[in-house]
Amino acid sequence: DAKTTQPNSMESNEEEPVHLPCNHSTISGTDYIHWYRQLPSQGPEYVIHGLTSNVNNRMASLAIAEDRKSSTLILHRATLRDAAVYYCIRSNTGNQFYFGTGTSLTVIP
Amino acid sequence: NAGVTQTPKFRILKIGQSMTLQCTQDMNHNYMYWYRQDPGMGLKLIYYSVGAGITDKGEVPNGYNVSRSTTEDFPLRLELAAPSQTSVYFCASSAPETMPYEQYFGPGTRLTVT
Repeated sequence: DAKTTQPNSMESNEEEPVHLPCNHSTISGTDYIHWYRQLPSQGPEYVIHGLTSNVNNRMASLAIAEDRKSSTLILHRATLRDAAVYYCIRSNTGNQFYFGTGTSLTVIP
Repeated sequence: NAGVTQTPKFRILKIGQSMTLQCTQDMNHNYMYWYRQDPGMGLKLIYYSVGAGITDKGEVPNGYNVSRSTTEDFPLRLELAAPSQTSVYFCASSAPETMPYEQYFGPGTRLTVT
């Protein structure tokens, strides 16, 4: 989705926090923000989603800007298993997903 | 539960040939989707279905057809394959009424058209 932009790649040291940014400046008021990750040769898997408020689950946290034009996925302690491509996605009321181009996360031991 | 299964895993087609990509889910999800993923890109929605007998176009539907006769199955048909359809195809399902906005993806079908 041309309206959802992410950095191509990021690196993190193992056991340090990682902040993955996403810009979705044209998001509408009813669009949800999702984050999925994709390991090589696999389908994407759910990480977290939110609408307006910050969200936490066992995998990650999602911080959504007050104007909703950007969001940040936070992995609290990166492990080698977190190395993947992370997609920021917006969805409309019909639950149709519009993927960003993804950020390839490298975790350095 | 097997989740979302797709067949075949790999396929090579000649230009102008046709084929059907199969997708089955055993989670009783009403919503199903087909995406394509070109190299280095995010997924793009081809078609989706909100229930048996109901289908609708996504972002990139040209060159594809779908049908949904049962809750479990959502086949994707390619007619007159073209090199531009070389991609990895993912099927997904969801149940927004119970697990809001989480989609479950299959392992993908890698298609090459030469």
